[in-house]
Amino acid sequence: DQQVKQNSPSLSVQEGRISILNCDYTNSMFDYFLWYKKYPAEGPTFLISISSIKDKNEDGRFTVFLNKSAKHLSLHIVPSQPGDSAVYFCAASDPGSARQLTFGSGTQLTVLP
Amino acid sequence: NAGVTQTPKFQVLKTGQSMTLQCAQDMNHEYMSWYRQDPGMGLRLIHYSVGAGITDQGEVPNGYNVSRSTTEDFPLRLLSAAPSQTSVYFCASRLTSGSPPLHFGNGTRLTVT
Repeated sequence: DQQVKQNSPSLSVQEGRISILNCDYTNSMFDYFLWYKKYPAEGPTFLISISSIKDKNEDGRFTVFLNKSAKHLSLHIVPSQPGDSAVYFCAASDPGSARQLTFGSGTQLTVLP
Repeated sequence: NAGVTQTPKFQVLKTGQSMTLQCAQDMNHEYMSWYRQDPGMGLRLIHYSVGAGITDQGEVPNGYNVSRSTTEDFPLRLLSAAPSQTSVYFCASRLTSGSPPLHFGNGTRLTVT
């Protein structure tokens, strides 16, 4: 049973518009959440994170929102750029088990020029 | 500063063959781990190590062995390759167990025929 779910395998948006990527989780012990970005033939790279004591974290064009009651987080990219086209993974960790990261299945974002 | 280096980039094995995927990091990270990425499954943890001489199993450890004799190196051994082990393998590291963001290598694409 997947504890971290990304239900949209793909998303297309126009350049300059907002991209919203969603992620749901089931384990209430998760207290730290991360987003990774992956280009083809490369490893995932860390993008942004949020602790469960916050409901929003912003870094330039990227904002992550956390709704603990709904066990839902989202990544907003504004404005979207063609270079943002990549697979985005959300990940979660809990305080135990050496803070292992549990990953979702990823969403392929395509930003159309 | 090379970060996390994985070799080889590509490998084709026949069923029953064994091989070792190499991983080295030059960031003096205590924590290292191996993930496999399969379509629709995200990244799943195979084995991890919280320091030299210490290893533990992740979510999908069967068919794989690891050892950690030095801080820098964390090789992954396939004992008797099976077609189900066809995947992309990523090695990742971070400073300690308590600091969640992982730094990934660029992956090894393995095909078992």
